[in-house]
Amino acid sequence: GAGVSQSPRYKVAKRGQDVALRCDPISGHVSLFWYQQALGQGPEFLTYFQNEAQLDKSGLPSDRFFAERPEGSVSTLKIQRTQQEDSAVYLCASSLVGAGLKETQYFGPGTRLLVL
Amino acid sequence: DQQVKQNSPSLSVQEGRISILNCDYTNSMFDYFLWYKKYPAEGPTFLISISSIKDKNEDGRFTVFLNKSAKHLSLHIVPSQPGDSAVYFCAASAGGIQGAQKLVFGQGTRLTINP
Repeated sequence: GAGVSQSPRYKVAKRGQDVALRCDPISGHVSLFWYQQALGQGPEFLTYFQNEAQLDKSGLPSDRFFAERPEGSVSTLKIQRTQQEDSAVYLCASSLVGAGLKETQYFGPGTRLLVL
Repeated sequence: DQQVKQNSPSLSVQEGRISILNCDYTNSMFDYFLWYKKYPAEGPTFLISISSIKDKNEDGRFTVFLNKSAKHLSLHIVPSQPGDSAVYFCAASAGGIQGAQKLVFGQGTRLTINP
């Protein structure tokens, strides 16, 4: 596709429910990133994939957060047993090349998650 | 700790004048800096970047200046247009072992261009 797409755009979950957020990166992009943006703040890094390999997951806030990119293209961010503090916009970004080069990250529109 | 700071939450500028957005950072390992623009309900859109080996990069109406000794960068928009009204984020990255280019963002500055 022309850009990064994410689905769903909005998700309302009851506390304790599991959610899955999908990201379709720009075709051919090697690197994929997930960020979390709380209200009034800048995005914060969660995790990074180079193709199917998850090379950095240092930003995942707890073991309730899990991300995968099994075929090196589409990625899913899963949050188990959601809590109210998980309410945020989840942004996905992709870039063309992998390690060692400074490349622009292109962002999707985000998924706004509200946990009640 | 906030490694990238945008100390002005908002800025209001007259159409046609210059807009200057500022950003400070603390991590001396940062070597690549970017500015993103964000409209409501959309993801951040890349504007302009600069590598630490440069002190200025220009693209049309947008110029980014980097002062490494002061750990400060700024974005100049001239002339400012109503369509520039948005939230602007400064971001930085440092080369890692595997070149993980995770971005560290500031809190954002809301720019309003008045007609």
